[in-house]
Amino acid sequence: AQKITQTQPGMFVQEKEAVTLDCTYDTSDPSYGLFWYKQPSSGEMIFLIYQGSYDQQNATEGRYSLNFQKARKSANLVISASQLGDSAMYFCAMRPLNRDDKIIFGKGTRLHILP
Amino acid sequence: NAGVTQTPKFQVLKTGQSMTLQCAQDMNHEYMSWYRQDPGMGLRLIHYSVGAGITDQGEVPNGYNVSRSTTEDFPLRLLSAAPSQTSVYFCASSYREGFTEAFFGQGTRLTVV
Repeated sequence: AQKITQTQPGMFVQEKEAVTLDCTYDTSDPSYGLFWYKQPSSGEMIFLIYQGSYDQQNATEGRYSLNFQKARKSANLVISASQLGDSAMYFCAMRPLNRDDKIIFGKGTRLHILP
Repeated sequence: NAGVTQTPKFQVLKTGQSMTLQCAQDMNHEYMSWYRQDPGMGLRLIHYSVGAGITDQGEVPNGYNVSRSTTEDFPLRLLSAAPSQTSVYFCASSYREGFTEAFFGQGTRLTVV
């Protein structure tokens, strides 16, 4: 069975510092995709970044990067130079690549950026 | 671009009432799904569909029904509402390929009294 674990219920980080949000996963699929979403207080779900299990390089999107360690089954989100607007809930998600199946999410991490 | 449209945005039900949450997408996505979000529980999958005529259960399917008669629509039916179904519900859709992200509706805040 697939499983996503986010062990940090909440984090407080000073503005302009880098922050790492942890995500570990478990799957028996040989190929899979990993996703991160942001949910601000307004409630909408915003897609941030994607990493494929066979991608050789870690994904980056602006200030977001994904620290993908396949052997450890971890896909941590790194936000560089944090901003007040980064305060939100962050979810890690996974789905298999080569078969029709569901997308599953972790429980999320609430990030607070302090001025 | 409409994307994923969920209706209603807010709803209050009495225990025992039934209702249907609507979800429609205009991106020709094969995959559609319903999640509920509760504090500390993340997004839990209720039901999902990989194409018209195909549905499957997720983690928390009890008390909910779905059908997928068209590619565009994926309604979620609450058969007999219970206070435990008070939650925020999200519909999401994506292409079938696993490397594509899911697009979410704006959510429905449901309260069962």
